[in-house]
Amino acid sequence: DTGVSQNPRHKITKRGQNVTFRCDPISEHNRLYWYRQTLGQGPEFLTYFQNEAQLEKSRLLSDRFSAERPKGSFSTLEIQRTEQGDSAMYLCASSLGTGFLGSNQPQHFGDGTRLSIL
Amino acid sequence: TQLLEQSPQFLSIQEGENLTVYCNSSSVFSSLQWYRQEPGEGPVLLVTVVTGGEVKKLKRLTFQFGDARKDSSLHITAAQTGDTGLYLCAGVSPRGGATNKLIFGTGTLLAVQP
Repeated sequence: DTGVSQNPRHKITKRGQNVTFRCDPISEHNRLYWYRQTLGQGPEFLTYFQNEAQLEKSRLLSDRFSAERPKGSFSTLEIQRTEQGDSAMYLCASSLGTGFLGSNQPQHFGDGTRLSIL
Repeated sequence: TQLLEQSPQFLSIQEGENLTVYCNSSSVFSSLQWYRQEPGEGPVLLVTVVTGGEVKKLKRLTFQFGDARKDSSLHITAAQTGDTGLYLCAGVSPRGGATNKLIFGTGTLLAVQP
């Protein structure tokens, strides 16, 4: 399977603990996105990487959240000192293209990591 | 803030019926994508529309992008139980720079009964 891969699929943790999720994009894709989706809602944008550079972060991404994409391949999203409100599905997507030429390129999503905070 | 409103939010129909889902905004989008999402899975791309007035067909699904590129519709003919899922529209803002992040609609949950 050459699609977007996310691990783990599910994470259950106690409030206050740190968690880290991993995303492996489609290999030739230079763009990588993180989104968050709560039950019954559409996904909301969190952050964007072009190759290894993090070029945009949403205001939803508080200072407890950090994302990296070393070497422009896989990406990690870490949440420190988790809170109840962090419970959600965290989705990763990748696409190909740069600048305006990339605007019509579809984003391909992984199956997400579902985070539950006890 | 750019919002994409979808209607209806929920739809339960019998197999064989037709339906239309609407995606509306006051903002213009460079392109608009439709996804279907099943429980516990990520959204799966159905189609991308780019040109105002564009119509695309995917078997029993017909997608239309509004002339002003502010709205879109998805029409399903003779729905099947396999069409059940959450339908999401998502737009790319022309003011979004090079990020091309998706702004998702509120979603339409479709249940097709046998």
